Amino acid sequence: DAGVIQSPRHEVTEMGQEVTLRCKLISGHNSLFWYRQTMMRGLELLIYFNNNVPIDDSGMPEDRFSAKMPNASFSTLKIQPSEPRDSAVYFCASRLGTGRTGELFFGEGSRLTVL
Amino acid sequence: AQSVTQLGSHVSVSEGALVLLRCNYSSSVPPYLFWYVQYPNQGLQLLLKYTSAATLVKGINGFEAEFKKSETSFHLTKPSAHMSDAAEYFCAVTFNQAGTALIFGKGTTLSVSS
Repeated sequence: DAGVIQSPRHEVTEMGQEVTLRCKLISGHNSLFWYRQTMMRGLELLIYFNNNVPIDDSGMPEDRFSAKMPNASFSTLKIQPSEPRDSAVYFCASRLGTGRTGELFFGEGSRLTVL
Repeated sequence: AQSVTQLGSHVSVSEGALVLLRCNYSSSVPPYLFWYVQYPNQGLQLLLKYTSAATLVKGINGFEAEFKKSETSFHLTKPSAHMSDAAEYFCAVTFNQAGTALIFGKGTTLSVSS
């Protein structure tokens, strides 16, 4: 079975441009997490969904960031407009079930560079 | 506030030596604790987890961790390091409370020399 698939793997864009990161969950998983990784702050939880419903978006930096789950197997993270401080690796992870002891399965990440 | 702290951002050991990576948590309710490993240019993968059963937990690749409530710790150990263990290790915590997601520590980079 394929793992969590993220695209693009690398994105270089200019300040002010819109960025859309995509994530395909493992089939049958129903929890979805977006994390951001930087050297300064480590891994930060941005938002997570259970059964397509956003549960906690308190980690979303500001209104420039938005995340959606249009269906049970797919999610997008959008940044509009992008800024240089958004440069980071963005990880998507999925989990089977909504229980808190379940394993998170991570994608390989999307490395974003905003010039 | 609930949190997890990893002591030491970088640990260096020789091949065959003991590996000890430290993790302490702060919580007012019983925690669930995890260790994840990240190899270069990859996502994280689960090494082991504590979910209130046995306090000594064994994971993949010969790693184990012991939950010590009195010390609020969940340190990761491996008796003998291999070169292939070089990676970044993350301790993480969550709690049996509605709306609680997995919170990660800052990570510890493990270097293994021959």
